[in-house]
Amino acid sequence: EPEVTQTPSHQVTQMGQEVILRCVPISNHLYFYWYRQILGQKVEFLVSFYNNEISEKSEIFDDQFSVERPDGSNFTLKIRSTKLEDSAMYFCASRVRDRGVAGASNEQFFGPGTRLTVL
Amino acid sequence: GEDVEQSLFLSVREGDSSVINCTYTDSSSTYLYWYKQEPGAGLQLLTYIFSNMDMKQDQRLTVLLNKKDKHLSLRIADTQTGDSAIYFCAESPSSASKIIFGSGTRLSIRP
Repeated sequence: EPEVTQTPSHQVTQMGQEVILRCVPISNHLYFYWYRQILGQKVEFLVSFYNNEISEKSEIFDDQFSVERPDGSNFTLKIRSTKLEDSAMYFCASRVRDRGVAGASNEQFFGPGTRLTVL
Repeated sequence: GEDVEQSLFLSVREGDSSVINCTYTDSSSTYLYWYKQEPGAGLQLLTYIFSNMDMKQDQRLTVLLNKKDKHLSLRIADTQTGDSAIYFCAESPSSASKIIFGSGTRLSIRP
């Protein structure tokens, strides 16, 4: 069964360093997302991406964050200068098509997550 | 604003039914979800219900929706040790594609 994959599973970095979290969405999916979950807290939406541009972003997704789909398979989240409070589990998700299409599923398939630890 | 609330913990005896409750605020929610998260794993979609439905049953899982009260529940029949996990209630507002999650209910099973 197709699945969303994420690498690395755990990333440790020093405060102020740049990190890139990688995701490989399911191959025929068109919509891509990043969420994060700070330990013990809610899963929070960061950004959605469609047709090579950001379609929606949350207040969390400030100028330190960026997303990119550099090729036909990868979807990346970059944090330019990490802060201690960026420590969290980051989940990538993908969805096949627009919910506005008749019979479309809104199901987002989630990857296993990357645990980011900022020291 | 959009918010989803659920209790943090639930403990049930093996073989009993588990009922996890959730309330949400966005009356325009179109899809309401239950996700399961096992230790160290990602988020697995268990089931979802459209806002124009009252109930959905899928094997041991029953979802009840009271749209008037904005209340969603998940019933797991014959709870097993493998059901131990965190269960997230979530909603997707009709005007956006993001999913809004609750804090999660940690379900523990006692023998």
